[in-house]
Amino acid sequence: RKEVEQDPGPFNVPEGATVAFNCTYSNSASQSFFWYRQDCRKEPKLLMSVYSSGNEDGRFTAQLNRASQYISLLIRDSKLSDSATYLCVVVPGAGSYQLTFGKGTKLSVIP
Amino acid sequence: DAGITQSPRHKVTETGTPVTLRCHQTENHRYMYWYRQDPGHGLRLIHYSYGVKDTDKGEVSDGYSVSRSKTEDFLLTLESATSSQTSVYFCAISGEPNTEAFFGQGTRLTVV
Repeated sequence: RKEVEQDPGPFNVPEGATVAFNCTYSNSASQSFFWYRQDCRKEPKLLMSVYSSGNEDGRFTAQLNRASQYISLLIRDSKLSDSATYLCVVVPGAGSYQLTFGKGTKLSVIP
Repeated sequence: DAGITQSPRHKVTETGTPVTLRCHQTENHRYMYWYRQDPGHGLRLIHYSYGVKDTDKGEVSDGYSVSRSKTEDFLLTLESATSSQTSVYFCAISGEPNTEAFFGQGTRLTVV
């Protein structure tokens, strides 16, 4: 089983739609989780951290399910500007400083 | 945006030549990383550093070496470039364990 797995997509959704991405991780000792966004030919940028209690930032909601070892990202009211690749990132253990990346899920929001 | 500068941004080089990529940060972060990104593989860690002169290998370190003589600079050297090293290289930094990393703009390297 790969360390971090994501559905590569692409997800093609109309403007205004709600879309959800899941990501599974294999190391049960993983401590920190993030979602990054990467635009075409650009560097990855932090979208949001994922906390055990779940967290929300505007139209974006991230959830963590430790029992099933997955994290999710929900985007509500999709905008054209949300079109990008979304990367799931896991830090494998306490005191670790290495980030493990999923391969990303590509989202295209269509007018 | 975090102060991370990669140079060069683009480079074309010939097979067998050595190449050095530079990452410079102004954030005084302890941890620095070199990743490569290829279609179908995502971001893969090449080498990382947890302090001046403290470095270690990542999952795809063969054919690469690194050096960190100052907190702000992390160099990646391709000892003898091969076509399989054609890729986009990203430098990243982070301040503490278990925290997010911030990326430079990338270096697009083509080995011909």
